[in-house]
Amino acid sequence: GAGVSQTPSNKVTEKGKYVELRCDPISGHTALYWYRQSLGQGPEFLIYFQGTGAADDSGLPNDRFFAVRPEGSVSTLKIQRTERGDSAVYLCASSLMNSPLHFGNGTRLTVT
Amino acid sequence: DQQVKQNSPSLSVQEGRISILNCDYTNSMFDYFLWYKKYPAEGPTFLISISSIKDKNEDGRFTVFLNKSAKHLSLHIVPSQPGDSAVYFCAASVYQGGSEKLVFGKGMKLTVNP
Repeated sequence: GAGVSQTPSNKVTEKGKYVELRCDPISGHTALYWYRQSLGQGPEFLIYFQGTGAADDSGLPNDRFFAVRPEGSVSTLKIQRTERGDSAVYLCASSLMNSPLHFGNGTRLTVT
Repeated sequence: DQQVKQNSPSLSVQEGRISILNCDYTNSMFDYFLWYKKYPAEGPTFLISISSIKDKNEDGRFTVFLNKSAKHLSLHIVPSQPGDSAVYFCAASVYQGGSEKLVFGKGMKLTVNP
């Protein structure tokens, strides 16, 4: 596909469980971003990768959140000990340098 | 504190008329501004942008105006079409060596009635 692919599209988990959200960026895009959109809010920045390294992780809310991009392409956002407040749509975006972000359709995470 | 504010949650206009979406920001360091459009169950899609060195950028039916002294930007859509019905997000960034670390507003739902 030509766009950013995120899986799963929906994830329901119980409080305290561990979840992984996957992002497959547009081929050739070196920059990859994770954003989180809570109900009634705009997307909020979580983390930015340039290649394999996290160039800016200042938006991660706490140490339960972690993201990796080991080969500079696919990225995984990992959330440990999930809490109900983590419920949101998690958006991944990719881009070429200094170009607008292309967003995926997001993963809707519900923590019960 | 909200650095990017979209104070009106919704707007309804008739097909063929102009839609004006407003956005205010507080951080004078922002140097790049964008509008994204979002349909339900889809991710935001880039629409149009403007650099802080300009005061207007036009792309077809879409024009963005920037008033730096007022820290205000607006998106004009003319003529509006039913397919424009969506949530529109205003976003801003500070250039950080390639990072598009965007700060988004809460969004405004535009409804264009046939």
